[in-house]
Amino acid sequence: GAGVSQSPSNKVTEKGKDVELRCDPISGHTALYWYRQSLGQGLEFLIYFQGNSAPDKSGLPSDRFSAERTGGSVSTLTIQRTQQEDSAVYLCASSTGRVVDTQYFGPGTRLTVL
Amino acid sequence: AQTVTQSQPEMSVQEAETVTLSCTYDTSESDYYLFWYKQPPSRQMILVIRQEAYKQQNATENRFSVNFQKAAKSFSLKISDSQLGDAAMYFCAYIGSNSGYALNFGKGTSLLVTP
Repeated sequence: GAGVSQSPSNKVTEKGKDVELRCDPISGHTALYWYRQSLGQGLEFLIYFQGNSAPDKSGLPSDRFSAERTGGSVSTLTIQRTQQEDSAVYLCASSTGRVVDTQYFGPGTRLTVL
Repeated sequence: AQTVTQSQPEMSVQEAETVTLSCTYDTSESDYYLFWYKQPPSRQMILVIRQEAYKQQNATENRFSVNFQKAAKSFSLKISDSQLGDAAMYFCAYIGSNSGYALNFGKGTSLLVTP
């Protein structure tokens, strides 16, 4: 079946602009995760959605970052007033919903803030 | 907090040879899961192998196997009969049964495969 998809593949933006990154999880997966991969920080957890429960936003680095998940499927990660330190690869993953189930990743979005 | 350490930033192996990538972790939990993910230049993280801490038997997946030493908190990945397509970044990751759902990743090991 289809895997996790993300769009756009690459995004270049100017400092101060807002960006939206999209994630489409594997069909039937109730859990969705966002991670950020940067040279200096490695892979960092950002946010977790599970079904209709309130998301765990504990990994979001600032209030410029937000995410939503519509209809329990597609998720959008929004970064407002982008800064150069936001440049990174943003990875989305999904799983069946059990805490220790394997997370399957999408190809990521490379964000470059000029 | 759990930490995952990969002490080898880069490794090199010749085609058809065997290579072992190291990973150690620190945790106070007794029930947890360990993973090796491969990230080729395409960026997509691909699951290589998974190990449940309660299982004493080491996991294997074709040419990939792990050496899980629970007491030593060590989780190394052995790649046998290395192929050019194995060249990638390899990440070791941990998740605890009680500590949440976010994967804790190591910094990664870049594996180069030479003909």
